[in-house]
Amino acid sequence: QQQVKQSPQSLIVQKGGISIINCAYENTAFDYFPWYQQFPGKGPALLIAIRPDVSEKKEGRFTISFNKSAKQFSLHIMDSQPGDSATYFCAASPTGTASKLTFGTGTRLQVTL
Amino acid sequence: DTGVSQDPRHKITKRGQNVTFRCDPISEHNRLYWYRQTLGQGPEFLTYFQNEAQLEKSRLLSDRFSAERPKGSFSTLEIQRTEQGDSAMYLCASSSTDGPTWETQYFGPGTRLLVL
Repeated sequence: QQQVKQSPQSLIVQKGGISIINCAYENTAFDYFPWYQQFPGKGPALLIAIRPDVSEKKEGRFTISFNKSAKQFSLHIMDSQPGDSATYFCAASPTGTASKLTFGTGTRLQVTL
Repeated sequence: DTGVSQDPRHKITKRGQNVTFRCDPISEHNRLYWYRQTLGQGPEFLTYFQNEAQLEKSRLLSDRFSAERPKGSFSTLEIQRTEQGDSAMYLCASSSTDGPTWETQYFGPGTRLLVL
């Protein structure tokens, strides 16, 4: 059972454009929502994370928007750069002892010149 | 750098052989997680430890898999009688239950396993 659905599977954006990746979850026990960036041959690296008590969180060019009632959250990358080309994973977990992450299937982002 | 380290980075083995991977977490992190990632997919949770106690195991972790964290520091993941379906990237992550980043999981570079 896929508990976190991610779209699109792949995305091509021009340099300077906005990249938008969407995720939806089913488990209402989830209350921590991180986004990870992964380059080929590397482990995932935390990009930004949000908890459901806020609807938006911004860190530099990266923004998470969160809609608790719709059980959806999204990552916006402003002013996308070629160095942002990577695979992005949304994830979710309940906190406390059951803090394992459930990941989406990933979005492969390519930023073109 | 005191990030999560994993060894080996790559492992090629023949079907039926046993393999063991090691993970060294960020020092003072009391939680350690193992995930498996197949090509084109997100990581899938396998198991996790708080200190030396193994608190949860996924249904993905068949009886051929065993993980240990004997002293609450490094961990090993052993796969016995490997099968071709075990070919994947095995990722380790660690986190702390204290401090400002208490919920953040930091991942290692992974061990890529190929079973021939």
